[in-house]
Amino acid sequence: QVQLVQSGGGVVQPGRSLRLSCAASGFGLDGFVVHWVRQAPGKGLEWMSGFSYDGRKKYYAESVRGRFTISRGTSDDRVYLDMSRLTYEDTALYFCAIEVPLNGYYDQWGLGTLVTVSS
Amino acid sequence: SYDLSQPLSVSVALGQTAKITCGGNNIGGRSVHWYQQRPGQAPILVIYKDVNRPSGIPERFSGSNSGNTATLTISRAQAADEADYYCQVWDSNNYVFGPGTEVAVL
Repeated sequence: QVQLVQSGGGVVQPGRSLRLSCAASGFGLDGFVVHWVRQAPGKGLEWMSGFSYDGRKKYYAESVRGRFTISRGTSDDRVYLDMSRLTYEDTALYFCAIEVPLNGYYDQWGLGTLVTVSS
Repeated sequence: SYDLSQPLSVSVALGQTAKITCGGNNIGGRSVHWYQQRPGQAPILVIYKDVNRPSGIPERFSGSNSGNTATLTISRAQAADEADYYCQVWDSNNYVFGPGTEVAVL
């Protein structure tokens, strides 16, 4: 089983940017279909972004398209979520998760990293 | 966009059966997946593709899907089953979650 290690959360002012990181304990994420899912305080799960099964495409929820960017590290086998123009509504616990390719569900989840947008 | 509905909460007596529904337009034509999330923890997959249990998930958890309703059934409910449960489907490159159901074991 893959253990996902997340980092990068914190407190950020509205309008600023933040980068989240997701890594696999012991080895790289190359070849895994990684997605990001968030959960606002006291709320449900909301899909944010993810790679296609072959890694060639990137998908985004309408609420973050144009502000969030998912990417793979070029030399570190991590997956990143770059978030820009953050608003109070982006305050949430952000999970990275691994999708079973072409099956549409997640069988591994990170523990989450908390992003708080506050002035 | 595709919308999913779930009851806000379900209560079940210890040792009895709980049914958690997930409603959607012709959801029976889609694959439905279920996650359990205990307080302060990451979600865990408990049912995938309507009826399948991942390794390590007790047989007490089962799923069905037909028409406009998918159902997660928890048999012989235990205190450890107290959690939020989310259904999820894939829809046109969007991954849609239901609003979640809080299960209380009394």
